[in-house]
Amino acid sequence: QVQLQESGPGLLKPSQTLSLTCTVSGGSITSGTYYWSWVRQPAGKGLEWIGRIYKTGSTNYNPSLKSRVSMSVETSKNQFSLRLDSVTAADTAVYYCARVVFHNDFQGYNHYFDFWGQGTLVTVSS
Amino acid sequence: QSVLTQPPSASGTPGQRVTISCSGSHSNIGSNTVDWYQQRPGTAPKLLIFSNDQRPSGVPDRFSGSKSGASASLAISGLQSEDEADYYCATWDDSLPGVEFGGGTKVTVL
Repeated sequence: QVQLQESGPGLLKPSQTLSLTCTVSGGSITSGTYYWSWVRQPAGKGLEWIGRIYKTGSTNYNPSLKSRVSMSVETSKNQFSLRLDSVTAADTAVYYCARVVFHNDFQGYNHYFDFWGQGTLVTVSS
Repeated sequence: QSVLTQPPSASGTPGQRVTISCSGSHSNIGSNTVDWYQQRPGTAPKLLIFSNDQRPSGVPDRFSGSKSGASASLAISGLQSEDEADYYCATWDDSLPGVEFGGGTKVTVL
């Protein structure tokens, strides 16, 4: 059973950089054809996709965050990371990492998050 | 404002059937498959339905998904108190390109 665990600072000041790491256990981050993704959720609100990364380092980002976000993968540590620059209070949210199944068939793109971390709260406040 | 439109709430009594809709467009639901997630308070989302109508191992067959054109639905039959949660639809959107989530539907068991 694959497990994911987010880690990183829980409190940031405006304009600082958010850095989170997701550690994967129960399976290798390089096995199979999975993508690895970040999703966030402000308190009392819905889910927002941040982006995804493949084991090769190939990325896709949400256009609304693209100018501030970057992701990386550290295969030797079985981890992947999120960096979000110039944070504001609007970036306060629970951040989840998740494994992604992604393939194309006669129905189009099949993209779904099959395993999730428990989430970590990041608060941006002066 | 989410690109995928869900009703904000739905409710039913134990044993009833509840249906949640998810409306999109050609570039998202109309062209790709839909998944559904259940999120209980204070917990991470859990995959409920993938590829429109497939259930992961361990998900009760009371949950079913369907898709027609640019819309999808999640049905919960034999509603139970443990089904009280928020439900989100999601799909790949070719125009982003990336993932779009619905705004979520809060299901209440009366």
